[in-house]
Amino acid sequence: TQLLEQSPQFLSIQEGENLTVYCNSSSVFSSLQWYRQEPGEGPVLLVTVVTGGEVKKLKRLTFQFGDARKDSSLHITAAQPGDTGLYLCAGARGNNRLAFGKGNQVVVIP
Amino acid sequence: NAGVMQNPRHLVRRRGQEARLRCSPMKGHSHVYWYRQLPEEGLKFMVYLQKENIIDESGMPKERFSAEFPKEGPSILRIQQVVRGDSAAYFCASSPTSGGRVDYEQYFGPGTRLTVT
Repeated sequence: TQLLEQSPQFLSIQEGENLTVYCNSSSVFSSLQWYRQEPGEGPVLLVTVVTGGEVKKLKRLTFQFGDARKDSSLHITAAQPGDTGLYLCAGARGNNRLAFGKGNQVVVIP
Repeated sequence: NAGVMQNPRHLVRRRGQEARLRCSPMKGHSHVYWYRQLPEEGLKFMVYLQKENIIDESGMPKERFSAEFPKEGPSILRIQQVVRGDSAAYFCASSPTSGGRVDYEQYFGPGTRLTVT
């Protein structure tokens, strides 16, 4: 059983379009991280959200943490080919062990 | 400003051999974590170490796997008598804080791809 469910698993869009991917759980997390992973590389940390309802922006990427700290979303505005990658969410429950979802594979077509 | 370093990046071992994976944390980080990523699966926690101490090894298989983080030198993940099912990408991460801090962050290395033939 996966603690964090990410949807959709795969998403292909045209350059310039907007997209939203989701990370859901029935568990409460003390913090949630979003990473992006390229093939053959390690995950690169994008953002950490801590407070329920928190919204953080990183250029064209907007991250939101659910009010109950059980879920999160990532919205990309005007996607570019450089946004292509596997987006991973990871939740922490205060014990230093990150629980990862399987990821959202995003492909942006030029 | 070097990040987390792992070597080797690729490792091929025959069944029954030993695999040793090395991880040097980011400068100033004293906490190391090992994760395993199998094809079509998410990253799975294996073990959390501080210098000379194993803090949490609840994700580590009970047999053949061991980890250490000595006072000097890198952290080592050791797999004895490897089997084909051990083939995976092994990632190391480091953080500057210990448990109890709500907004700690883990920074990952590039991984070691282990192939068992």
